[in-house]
Amino acid sequence: DAKTTQPPSMDCAEGRAANLPCNHSTISGNEYVYWYRQIHSQGPQYIIHGLKNNETNEMASLIITEDRKSSTLILPHATLRDTAVYYCIADSGFQKLVFGTGTRLLVSP
Amino acid sequence: EAGVVQSPRYKIIEKKQPVAFWCNPISGHNTLYWYLQNLGQGPELLIRYENEEAVDDSQLPKDRFSAERLKGVDSTLKIQPAELGDSAVYLCASSLKGHPNTGELFFGEGSRLTVL
Repeated sequence: DAKTTQPPSMDCAEGRAANLPCNHSTISGNEYVYWYRQIHSQGPQYIIHGLKNNETNEMASLIITEDRKSSTLILPHATLRDTAVYYCIADSGFQKLVFGTGTRLLVSP
Repeated sequence: EAGVVQSPRYKIIEKKQPVAFWCNPISGHNTLYWYLQNLGQGPELLIRYENEEAVDDSQLPKDRFSAERLKGVDSTLKIQPAELGDSAVYLCASSLKGHPNTGELFFGEGSRLTVL
């Protein structure tokens, strides 16, 4: 499975959009991009995933570049409860998710 | 609907003692995972079950770790004997097998182990 690269930490003001980048330049054609987050002392929580097209659900939007070498997770109106570690994972969909160290997002008032 | 249930939530033991963790997955989920998470790191897969069968246990340290999933529902992860380096959070997750692009794993809250 492709390796992903994420910034170790990011800050965001409450109410503003949080844009979390992920680089997956070696992603193969059958690999999806998944995003999970982990709030302190909890297990990871699924957010969204996509293959080629941009995706949106009630939690976030996922923007994947045309060459699929990078993606951005967008939380449109970040709240304090969005403070968490966000993991970007490239996986072929056979449910063997390999987590990296993720991005620690801090949302401040 | 109940989520993935794990117990105990916290466990403190002395080194060389045995310890066991239990996981009850979401009803109907035939795939079950055990992950290990060290402080400041992402979860690492230990073992994956499809029903009763361990289909991927390549990362499980088999000299001291064992797991079972009798009847394809609940699962137990055991460490015997525990070492100081085993202090970590042990996460259980479950999912539906099926479409390869499902990708959604449901995690429990984890069992935090401290080995003294």
